[in-house]
Amino acid sequence: RKEVEQDPGPFNVPEGATVAFNCTYSNSASQSFFWYRQDCRKEPKLLMSVYSSGNEDGRFTAQLNRASQYISLLIRDSKLSDSATYLCVVRGGADGLTFGKGTHLIIQP
Amino acid sequence: ETGVTQSPTHLIKTRGQQVTLRCSSQSGHNTVSWYQQALGQGPQFIFQYYREEENGRGNFPPRFSGLQFPNYSSELNVNALELDDSALYLCASSLVGSGTVSYNEQFFGPGTRLTVL
Repeated sequence: RKEVEQDPGPFNVPEGATVAFNCTYSNSASQSFFWYRQDCRKEPKLLMSVYSSGNEDGRFTAQLNRASQYISLLIRDSKLSDSATYLCVVRGGADGLTFGKGTHLIIQP
Repeated sequence: ETGVTQSPTHLIKTRGQQVTLRCSSQSGHNTVSWYQQALGQGPQFIFQYYREEENGRGNFPPRFSGLQFPNYSSELNVNALELDDSALYLCASSLVGSGTVSYNEQFFGPGTRLTVL
């Protein structure tokens, strides 16, 4: 079983729609959780950290369910500029980050 | 811009050769991590250096080695290159406190795209 699993998509979504991504992780000792965004042929950039209480940053809402080892990202009122690959990321301790394969999102006009 | 730079941007090598990739950390950062991202995959953790010592390693063979210098810049060396080593190599820098290692945001450089023929 892969450590971090995501649906690779692509998700084709009309502009203005709401889209949700999920991922699951296998290491119950994981301590920190994140969503990164990666544009084509660019480096990953931190979108937001994810907390058990849920957190929101503008149109983006992230949620963590430790019992189910499940992380979600919701994007409301999607924009063309939201088109990218969204990487679910987990950190267990002193080691580096563990990335999922990413979910490819395409926002269509 | 994150302030993390990598060189070169692109590189072509042949099987069996050796390669050295370089990374300059963001000012004030003391930790560098290296990742390999194959096409269509997420980045895979290679290793991490904190204060010039390797303090974490992913599932990569010993022919992947590294260094961190007193100015916190870093090198990734790969010996005996294989075709499957073709990938985007990313370095990320962060600031970690002394004592218990705690997470601080990792800032990624633009990467070096390595092609092995």
